[in-house]
Amino acid sequence: GAVVSQHPSRVICKSGTSVKIECRSLDFQATTMFWYRQFPKKSLMLMATSNEGSKATYEQGVEKDKFLINHASLTLSTLTVTSAHPEDSSFYICSARAPGATNEKLFFGSGTQLSVL
Amino acid sequence: QKEVEQNSGPLSVPEGAIASLNCTYSDRGSQSFFWYRQYSGKSPELIMFIYSNGDKEDGRFTAQLNKASQYVSLLIRDSQPSDSATYLCAVNLLYNTDKLIFGTGTRLQVFP
Repeated sequence: GAVVSQHPSRVICKSGTSVKIECRSLDFQATTMFWYRQFPKKSLMLMATSNEGSKATYEQGVEKDKFLINHASLTLSTLTVTSAHPEDSSFYICSARAPGATNEKLFFGSGTQLSVL
Repeated sequence: QKEVEQNSGPLSVPEGAIASLNCTYSDRGSQSFFWYRQYSGKSPELIMFIYSNGDKEDGRFTAQLNKASQYVSLLIRDSQPSDSATYLCAVNLLYNTDKLIFGTGTRLQVFP
């Protein structure tokens, strides 16, 4: 099946620093990628939809200036958590879909566990 | 009302039994329904998807959809300890078929 690679898998950082997470589709072109956040024992919450070559669409309540999304190519989207704080500690997951594909062809990255000290 | 609701569990079943996981949703116009399995610290893995009312079987898994009652369920036959995980129900909303809305998940424990 299709592969979505997400890096890093785990990151620990100090409060106030910025962290970049990469999501790559390895064997297909992804015009649309999605970024989720998951707190312990909670569900995946969609943060934003990343569209190649255009601005991301953020969900209500998600600060676009804090969570910067760049989707500069058909195989790479990045999420940068700026000025991270302990409350940003969470599991971040990306997913990607090929153009025209429906959601049964939505592939998830392996996730990034962010811990902000 | 939450858009997608699941009992958080844990649901404990003995090895070999049938595990029944349920999910209700609020958007009556939803068209697509998905069950994902998620192991702790890992990303979700698609188990089943269903679009039409009725049952859909794939190996030990059966998805059941009842749009009139707005619920979708997942049955796991011959449950194995390796099935122990959190099962997430996800639904496409009518007004935005791009987005998947996830339930909080049901934790399943299969004991030997």
